[in-house]
Amino acid sequence: GESVGLHLPTLSVQEGDNSIINCAYSNSASDYFIWYKQESGKGPQFIIDIRSNMDKRQGQRVTVLLNKTVKHLSLQIAATQPGDSAVYFCAENRNSGYSTLTFGKGTMLLVSP
Amino acid sequence: GAGVSQSPSNKVTEKGKDVELRCDPISGHTALYWYRQSLGQGLEFLIYFQGNSAPDKSGLPSDRFSAERTGGSVSTLTIQRTQQEDSAVYLCASSFDRGGGEKLFFGSGTQLSVL
Repeated sequence: GESVGLHLPTLSVQEGDNSIINCAYSNSASDYFIWYKQESGKGPQFIIDIRSNMDKRQGQRVTVLLNKTVKHLSLQIAATQPGDSAVYFCAENRNSGYSTLTFGKGTMLLVSP
Repeated sequence: GAGVSQSPSNKVTEKGKDVELRCDPISGHTALYWYRQSLGQGLEFLIYFQGNSAPDKSGLPSDRFSAERTGGSVSTLTIQRTQQEDSAVYLCASSFDRGGGEKLFFGSGTQLSVL
């Protein structure tokens, strides 16, 4: 999940495990959600997105689940690899007129070989 | 290049000096955004440009911050009279922005350090 302050929540997993990163969003009117991966010294990199008319979307090794009832978003990574180690951010589009994304604080994923 | 390009990648300045940060968006993207990321934090929205429309400046933290986008392409973020609390990574992003939510493509950012 998300937190405030300087210390990111951290998820530590073993290589090959499945990882689940959770995110609570704040605005029930948000219509678009997106997950980004950020490695040290780099900008955020798009992973997967989902619109509010869906509750599940799958990509390569990743699945995003959206539960609008409880305003919850999750990212599932199958067969996690050391290269997946990064900070993961969820973001929501709160304005249906244009794409200004509001980001959560991030979750650090650490994958051990 | 194919991606969003930002320069400089690192900038060290003294308190009170002005700085300019540059962003070259992906060719053909109509929307351009500036975000700020402090250490261990999420991304804070600063400003948004879309085509010839007036920019959304609602995220700028003070009047020391301003941004321009010339010719619908390159953007410059200017911070006047920098303060130590301005130290952060400044990220630029662009998108097609067809309305209703679009993925943003980010540059690698400019790491600003105010001494």
